Amino acid sequence: NAGVTQTPKFRVLKTGQSMTLLCAQDMNHEYMYWYRQDPGMGLRLIHYSVGEGTTAKGEVPDGYNVSRLKKQNFLLGLESAAPSQTSVYFCASSSPQGPDQPQHFGDGTRLSIL
Amino acid sequence: RKEVEQDPGPFNVPEGATVAFNCTYSNSASQSFFWYRQDCRKEPKLLMSVYSSGNEDGRFTAQLNRASQYISLLIRDSKLSDSATYLCVVLTGGGNKLTFGTGTQLKVEL
Repeated sequence: NAGVTQTPKFRVLKTGQSMTLLCAQDMNHEYMYWYRQDPGMGLRLIHYSVGEGTTAKGEVPDGYNVSRLKKQNFLLGLESAAPSQTSVYFCASSSPQGPDQPQHFGDGTRLSIL
Repeated sequence: RKEVEQDPGPFNVPEGATVAFNCTYSNSASQSFFWYRQDCRKEPKLLMSVYSSGNEDGRFTAQLNRASQYISLLIRDSKLSDSATYLCVVLTGGGNKLTFGTGTQLKVEL
């Protein structure tokens, strides 16, 4: 029972490089989310998706793009990495059946931009 | 003003103590509230939802005061395993979007 799986778990990039973070969930959830977590800032929503083929901006979307081509996958892309994007990235998913449905999180991806 | 505010702590308490955390939220239209727990370098996990009438789950009691826009979490008979960061979380809009507080760190000591 994998739940939410994020790959990779760690990555170091140089400024200007691009990369894609993959999130996969096996719970048939409609909703998926990408957050970043920085010291003293809490989790902040980057982008989210309410279904296959749909995406929407969250609180801090600049510098990131996302795609939801398949229901189980939600990809987060960094087109040109910047040191300010050094963070821990969490993916989450949830069911739309009522507001009390919890969000299930992946283990996180620790990303460092040099 | 932050949408969700918490005292960052840390709260250092002896094992067996009772400890309470408060959280305030700014959006009076918020309808759903939660406490999540996050262990060091781990992902957040739902601890409990918070209902208007107050609710209890074992040693944990959550309460909501809509008039004052604050949420509380009470932990009784603290265990070493309760050491973690407790995140106050508010449902803010469509798509089940959540707004997280920065968390309150709890350290339970022998």
